[in-house]
Amino acid sequence: GAVVSQHPSWVICKSGTSVKIECRSLDFQATTMFWYRQFPKQSLMLMATSNEGSKATYEQGVEKDKFLINHASLTLSTLTVTSAHPEDSSFYICSARPGTVPYEQYFGPGTRLTVT
Amino acid sequence: QKEVEQNSGPLSVPEGAIASLNCTYSDRVSQSFFWYRQYSGKSPELIMSIYSNGDKEDGRFTAQLNKASQYVSLLIRDSQPSDSATYLCAVNKGNQGGKLIFGQGTELSVKP
Repeated sequence: GAVVSQHPSWVICKSGTSVKIECRSLDFQATTMFWYRQFPKQSLMLMATSNEGSKATYEQGVEKDKFLINHASLTLSTLTVTSAHPEDSSFYICSARPGTVPYEQYFGPGTRLTVT
Repeated sequence: QKEVEQNSGPLSVPEGAIASLNCTYSDRVSQSFFWYRQYSGKSPELIMSIYSNGDKEDGRFTAQLNKASQYVSLLIRDSQPSDSATYLCAVNKGNQGGKLIFGQGTELSVKP
């Protein structure tokens, strides 16, 4: 149990275009999902917390107009990187939390984004 | 002071030995503690969670929590080369919507 999927697993896009990444909890309902970014040899950086049916909460320094998050259902959250630039190239990982304590998070396999 | 601190390593142990990974946290209100394993180029995988003082064992893994000293550790017995990965310690304070605070990770290398 506790399987989280992400799509696509990797994507290459041109500078200035937008990319949408999907995160799905496959066998549980996720009241909360999280989006992280990880650069090579660095730890996870939380970008935002997404709650179903409400606006995402962004971490300090993360541009909410650039990284659009939608949590439309209890099993799906999407991250859209708008007007992507090469510096947005990174490993984007989502995680999902079942709606009960004790706060375990299960990670998706990640999406590797390359902006050319 | 970082909220969650780990030695970055690398920690190198021979195959079959016990690997000991340590983590300290700064906020006493922290309630839930997790260890994740991350292989290079992959996403983190939850391997242990612990919520109360003492030891919790799962196969070759033992998590230890000491809230008075604000540390949590992970022991890996009979280490295998396949255990070579970065181990992330994560803490939840119970008051931030389930958000986890991650340490920077300890790189473990198990030599055959």
